[in-house]
Amino acid sequence: EAQVTQNPRYLITVTGKKLTVTCSQNMNHEYMSWYRQDPGLGLRQIYYSMNVEVTDKGDVPEGYKVSRKEKRNFPLILESPSPNQTSLYFCASSDRNLNTEAFFGQGTRLTVV
Amino acid sequence: DAKTTQPTSMDCAEGRAANLPCNHSTISGNEYVYWYRQIHSQGPQYIIHGLKNNETNEMASLIITEDRKSSTLILPHATLRDTAVYYCIVRDYNNNDMRFGAGTRLTVKP
Repeated sequence: EAQVTQNPRYLITVTGKKLTVTCSQNMNHEYMSWYRQDPGLGLRQIYYSMNVEVTDKGDVPEGYKVSRKEKRNFPLILESPSPNQTSLYFCASSDRNLNTEAFFGQGTRLTVV
Repeated sequence: DAKTTQPTSMDCAEGRAANLPCNHSTISGNEYVYWYRQIHSQGPQYIIHGLKNNETNEMASLIITEDRKSSTLILPHATLRDTAVYYCIVRDYNNNDMRFGAGTRLTVKP
């Protein structure tokens, strides 16, 4: 089954404690991206990757890092989380062909206290 | 900024067709129109997409105007489970980006 898997689904952490949210896809997609969703602001892109070892900033990259060492994985790293990073996070993947759909993970709800 | 404009909310009676409009007046010739929906806080779910021709699948129909400046998503027989936020998105050919706007909150009522 084609899917994008995020872990963990829920996480409560403290300010400053580094964390990683993993994202994995099984469709051999070249393109992967991370979004955050906040009430009233919709989904905003954090980072994206067009292929292995190629990453670029989205609209709200501050406070986040990503890596793309292999095609299937695209982890989101918060080196020093702060309360304003409390949000719902989604990972997505797609083929580079615009005529194919993008798949989204089920989301990670992060709370930073 | 999102390249699309949608009404904030709409209601639809169960069993009737739901017609959700979207304006995308700045769309480029090779950009696709995609529709996704989000139920509660689940991951966005793909519905349908098109370039310039009308499209239909098992979930919905997509009508794109000839000038491609607007489109309408049609759910032919809405059910209570279709209550969700529906997003119309223009897919950026430069970076494959999908810019989500605020979407339309569709409420299907019994």
